[in-house]
Amino acid sequence: DGGITQSPKYLFRKEGQNVTLSCEQNLNHDAMYWYRQDPGQGLRLIYYSQIVNDFQKGDIAEGYSVSREKKESFPLTVTSAQKNPTAFYLCATGTPNTGELFFGEGSRLTVL
Amino acid sequence: AQSVTQLDSHVSVSEGTPVLLRCNYSSSYSPSLFWYVQHPNKGLQLLLKYTSAATLVKGINGFEAEFKKSETSFHLTKPSAHMSDAAEYFCVVPKGSGSARQLTFGSGTQLTVLP
Repeated sequence: DGGITQSPKYLFRKEGQNVTLSCEQNLNHDAMYWYRQDPGQGLRLIYYSQIVNDFQKGDIAEGYSVSREKKESFPLTVTSAQKNPTAFYLCATGTPNTGELFFGEGSRLTVL
Repeated sequence: AQSVTQLDSHVSVSEGTPVLLRCNYSSSYSPSLFWYVQHPNKGLQLLLKYTSAATLVKGINGFEAEFKKSETSFHLTKPSAHMSDAAEYFCVVPKGSGSARQLTFGSGTQLTVLP
């Protein structure tokens, strides 16, 4: 099936640990995005990538890192420098000119 | 800069009654505008989009929205709510251009449908 796969769906982390969230797509979209969602705040852009081996910071990139070595994959690492990492993380792909994004089902990270 | 404001954080309606979710936009020109829906613990799905072709836009699941430039509004409506409509709804506006184009999301409106 075509789509976006995020894993894991739920993740628990101790303070001080880095964690990596996976996002894989088979829609053949060039653009990929990571958003963070907190209650009452909508979605905020962390990082985005328009093409392989290139990515740009979004509005809240501090404490996060990404890579884009393959068109299909855009993993997000939540580092220990992120002060409040507990959130719902959404990966999306799309075509920038149309403005339409396609979302994965999200990964919920909880820091214990 | 383009931005959107969703005027209600929560809306409750009874099943079978009309739905109105309000969104105002701020832009120096007529923007593209979108509504997305998110069911609990799921990703977002595009409901409908306005791209200046017609001011009344029809989307999936019986939803529609009307672009009103004079009021800078893009409210989402549905004549008769169904229990399955219970979800969070986001009004969205693109910013930037070309390959740097991004989406700016409103803060969301949680729709509750009462039996």
